[in-house]
Amino acid sequence: DAGITQSPRHKVTETGTPVTLRCHQTENHRYMYWYRQDPGHGLRLIHYSYGVKDTDKGEVSDGYSVSRSKTEDFLLTLESATSSQTSVYFCAISEEPAKAFFGQGTRLTVV
Amino acid sequence: AQSVTQPDIHITVSEGASLELRCNYSYGATPYLFWYVQSPGQGLQLLLKYFSGDTLVQGIKGFEAEFKRSQSSFNLRKPSVHWSDAAEYFCAVGPWDSGNTPLVFGKGTRLSVIA
Repeated sequence: DAGITQSPRHKVTETGTPVTLRCHQTENHRYMYWYRQDPGHGLRLIHYSYGVKDTDKGEVSDGYSVSRSKTEDFLLTLESATSSQTSVYFCAISEEPAKAFFGQGTRLTVV
Repeated sequence: AQSVTQPDIHITVSEGASLELRCNYSYGATPYLFWYVQSPGQGLQLLLKYFSGDTLVQGIKGFEAEFKRSQSSFNLRKPSVHWSDAAEYFCAVGPWDSGNTPLVFGKGTRLSVIA
């Protein structure tokens, strides 16, 4: 399995608090992605990165920010968590689309 | 804009029966096509992928998929389903000529297997 670690794996937080999810890779892949998975919606892209300090928005980026200061780490921040951001978040890495590897996911509950 | 449609939200099959999961895509360029599987509480595992050559692609766990350009389809098949195949299946499309554009996923098909 590709070396991808998401932390935390589970988190419960209160509405209005900031939350940061971390994706760490040991594969030295250039591209990293954050998706959210919700029933009936499949996986939707939040943000992605194509290099250190190079990021771009995805389909559902409102309310989220990202940072990538090192190749191996891609952080997803919810500046002020809302109940609509309760979801399972997946990080993925790739060097090319044909070889995307996914982390185990982070289940976030906003109460 | 690119999109992926999986028409079946939930399918139930008997163990040992054949399976076909449907996937249709809309994409402006030559696509990569993928099928992923997700077991409960797990991440996504790549079953198979297609980007050129033989339109019938073999994957892991006995799965295969056929690319039909004329129908914009990439249906997943398995001749005999096992109880352990119960999971959610996602079809995805990506660009053939750029590593920078992320995959676009369908909404998934949940497979239940009954005895």
